[in-house]
Amino acid sequence: SYELTQPPSVSVSPGQTASITCSGDKLGDKYASWYQQKSGQSPVLVIYTDSRRPSGIPERFSGSKSGNTATLTISETQAMDEADYYCQAWDNSPLFGGGTKLSVL
Amino acid sequence: QVQLVQSGAEVKKPGASVKVSCKASRDTFTTYHIHWVRQAPGQGLEWMGIINPTSGITKDAQKFQGRVTLTRDTSTTTVYMELGSLRSDDTAVYYCATVTAAAFHYWGQGTLVTVSS
Repeated sequence: SYELTQPPSVSVSPGQTASITCSGDKLGDKYASWYQQKSGQSPVLVIYTDSRRPSGIPERFSGSKSGNTATLTISETQAMDEADYYCQAWDNSPLFGGGTKLSVL
Repeated sequence: QVQLVQSGAEVKKPGASVKVSCKASRDTFTTYHIHWVRQAPGQGLEWMGIINPTSGITKDAQKFQGRVTLTRDTSTTTVYMELGSLRSDDTAVYYCATVTAAAFHYWGQGTLVTVSS
């Protein structure tokens, strides 16, 4: 079955840049989306169609893709960005990566 | 503005069924297909199925086929997710959500279902 692979955790210092990767077979042929989920809250879409940002999402959130790896980049990371991040793509039906816990230390 | 309002938390015994509702505005109900996604405690997101509220046509994830039933009530613009033969590992937060441009843009607030004897 199709899988999206993310690192379980990423740490970053405040003000630095955080990068979270998501890899999957033929992901290069699919659109990737990214969601931020804070504890006890519903997921929030931060990037869709690889690199587009929904209204209201800060510009420091950006997305890119190279080959079969999509990357969520958070510039000038703030304490409020500490959350779980999930990538998502479609393979006949929606599929989510396992999630990455971003720690801002 | 897309709004999805879900029903409250439920506690069920193993083997029972649970029915979670997701009320949408009329515009949302007639414009978007509604998806169901669940999240077990400390775990990731798992897609369960989709319903077209206008036609009633559904598609379930293979994992849940035979156990999940998606329905809708057009008079109240509400969609329902019923999960049967509950087990302890069905304990999770269940979300309804809409998709645009291959992404889940809007989510309900989530409904916690606890399965415990």
